[in-house]
Amino acid sequence: KQEVTQIPAALSVPEGENLVLNCSFTDSAIYNLQWFRQDPGKGLTSLLLIQSSQREQTSGRLNASLDKSSGRSTLYIAASQPGDSATYLCAANRGSNYKLTFGKGTLLTVNP
Amino acid sequence: GAGVSQSPSNKVTEKGKDVELRCDPISGHTALYWYRQSLGQGLEFLIYFQGNSAPDKSGLPSDRFSAERTGGSVSTLTIQRTQQEDSAVYLCASSLYSVAGQPQHFGDGTRLSIL
Repeated sequence: KQEVTQIPAALSVPEGENLVLNCSFTDSAIYNLQWFRQDPGKGLTSLLLIQSSQREQTSGRLNASLDKSSGRSTLYIAASQPGDSATYLCAANRGSNYKLTFGKGTLLTVNP
Repeated sequence: GAGVSQSPSNKVTEKGKDVELRCDPISGHTALYWYRQSLGQGLEFLIYFQGNSAPDKSGLPSDRFSAERTGGSVSTLTIQRTQQEDSAVYLCASSLYSVAGQPQHFGDGTRLSIL
């Protein structure tokens, strides 16, 4: 059974800092890994999706990497802004299964 | 529509009552998913539709939970004889196809509170 873990559970940083959020998964037979952002009282916004054949994806100030052999993914946020404050979730598809298995998220606070 | 739409956004009901939650997926998306987000459990998969059929109901927590989808579009999740442990945010997502490479797009959820 796939288990997804996110560390830390919460992170507080000053504006402008670069930061890394971590995601680990127990079953390396993943098809892809997706990073989401969730604002309070809102649904999930897809940020980046990395296919198993890829090592990283970039969108603006965000960069996500995937290392299947070690069961890890990281989300790098450059030059953080207060508007980046949210909960960040990672989720993995096992094999070709459409079902997403989610981590419990990292609550990020960027202080002005 | 522009995004996945869920209604109601909030629902408060008494224990033992039945509730219906509605999801309107992105137009043209053939796959639809229901998840539940609760404080202790995080996000859990409930059920998945491809068109109007539900090949995978494995995540439904009990037989009090059921879901249907009509016209390949709108889906309704029904919880009968609600219990306090049913309190959670119920999220719906849709994707163009039901394959793992397709990103899932989420609605804002229905926050269900059972008194």
